[in-house]
Amino acid sequence: GAVVSQHPSWVICKSGTSVKIECRSLDFQATTMFWYRQFPKQSLMLMATSNEGSKATYEQGVEKDKFLINHASLTLSTLTVTSAHPEDSSFYICSARAGLAGGQTDTQYFGPGTRLTVL
Amino acid sequence: AQKITQTQPGMFVQEKEAVTLDCTYDTSDQSYGLFWYKQPSSGEMIFLIYQGSYDEQNATEGRYSLNFQKARKSANLVISASQLGDSAMYFCAMREAYSNYQLIWGAGTKLIIKP
Repeated sequence: GAVVSQHPSWVICKSGTSVKIECRSLDFQATTMFWYRQFPKQSLMLMATSNEGSKATYEQGVEKDKFLINHASLTLSTLTVTSAHPEDSSFYICSARAGLAGGQTDTQYFGPGTRLTVL
Repeated sequence: AQKITQTQPGMFVQEKEAVTLDCTYDTSDQSYGLFWYKQPSSGEMIFLIYQGSYDEQNATEGRYSLNFQKARKSANLVISASQLGDSAMYFCAMREAYSNYQLIWGAGTKLIIKP
């Protein structure tokens, strides 16, 4: 249980274009999802916390207009990187909070990540 | 001050040996949770084990156990009988009360198992 998918797994785009990344909880409902960014050989950096049906809460320093987050349902959250630039190239990883249903540990379960390269 | 400290940037361990990955934490909350995740080179973050602050017993999950010493604020991960597939980055994380389930992450330890 507690499987999270993320799509696409990698994407290369031109500077100035927008990229959408999907995060889905496959076998549980997630009222809270998280988006992280990870630079090489570093820990996870939380970008935003997304609650279903409400606006995402962004961490300090994260541009809301650049990183658009939509948590439209209990199983889907999307991150759109708008007008991407080379400095946005990174590994983006989402997670979904699984409650105690089904005997799972109430923690964050992660998608496999999306490697974004902006040319 | 850092809330989660992992003092070992990297470790080499011989296959089949046990390994301990260190993690110390800092919080003033009475209720909190401690987690360990594994990140192989593929990038996915895999949840390994959880310890609640009120749990009296150390958590165990298969070959993983968490050596929880509350007074010393340490939550070390112990992997018994290490395997080549254990080679990965390991992150310690903490969730404090009223944190909207956000996790505070350590810097990670890169573990390499030698055959």
